Amino acid sequence: DVKVTQSSRYLVKRTGEKVFLECVQDMDHENMFWYRQDPGLGLRLIYFSYDVKMKEKGDIPEGYSVSREKKERFSLILESASTNQTSMYLCASRVLGRETQYFGPGTRLLVL
Amino acid sequence: EDQVTQSPEALRLQEGESSSLNCSYTVSGLRGLFWYRQDPGKGPEFLFTLYSAGEEKEKERLKATLTKKESFLHITAPKPEDSATYLCAGLSGGSYIPTFGRGTSLIVHP
Repeated sequence: DVKVTQSSRYLVKRTGEKVFLECVQDMDHENMFWYRQDPGLGLRLIYFSYDVKMKEKGDIPEGYSVSREKKERFSLILESASTNQTSMYLCASRVLGRETQYFGPGTRLLVL
Repeated sequence: EDQVTQSPEALRLQEGESSSLNCSYTVSGLRGLFWYRQDPGKGPEFLFTLYSAGEEKEKERLKATLTKKESFLHITAPKPEDSATYLCAGLSGGSYIPTFGRGTSLIVHP
């Protein structure tokens, strides 16, 4: 069964803090993705990774970075959190060459 | 540019009242059309992938169909537990990244 987990369901941080969001999949998927989801804006891609140590910017990478040191783990880093980064963050993964993405449960981040 | 438009934005049904959700897409060389269900505060849950016009897939009270321009998610005799937001996404032949619609929020009243 498909399993994507995210390190936290809810997170509250202060402006300026460095924030780490972690995503782990146990399906040996090559591709991993980070999205944010906001009311009225839908899902927007932040970064994605084709495979270990590979990353590509998505539509809204500003203020974010990522790390993929191991195949199963894809981390999203907010270098200096700001209030406009308050959002629902969703991780997804996919087998290379297949089309369907599988999502994690999401992390709802509040930046005060 | 690839586009996916879902309608209606919101839909209220009575329990047992069948209906359809629409997903219109402009995606070059469609490689896959996806449907997800998303409950409030949770991640999208995969429902179906459709690959070519004429294809249909079913799961319980849900049936997804695909034409060359749109996909429908038919809900037969819905129950309150079918209440959720339903997301549609299309993947083009030249991209790794699907284009998502904004979703349809479905509420089924008992």
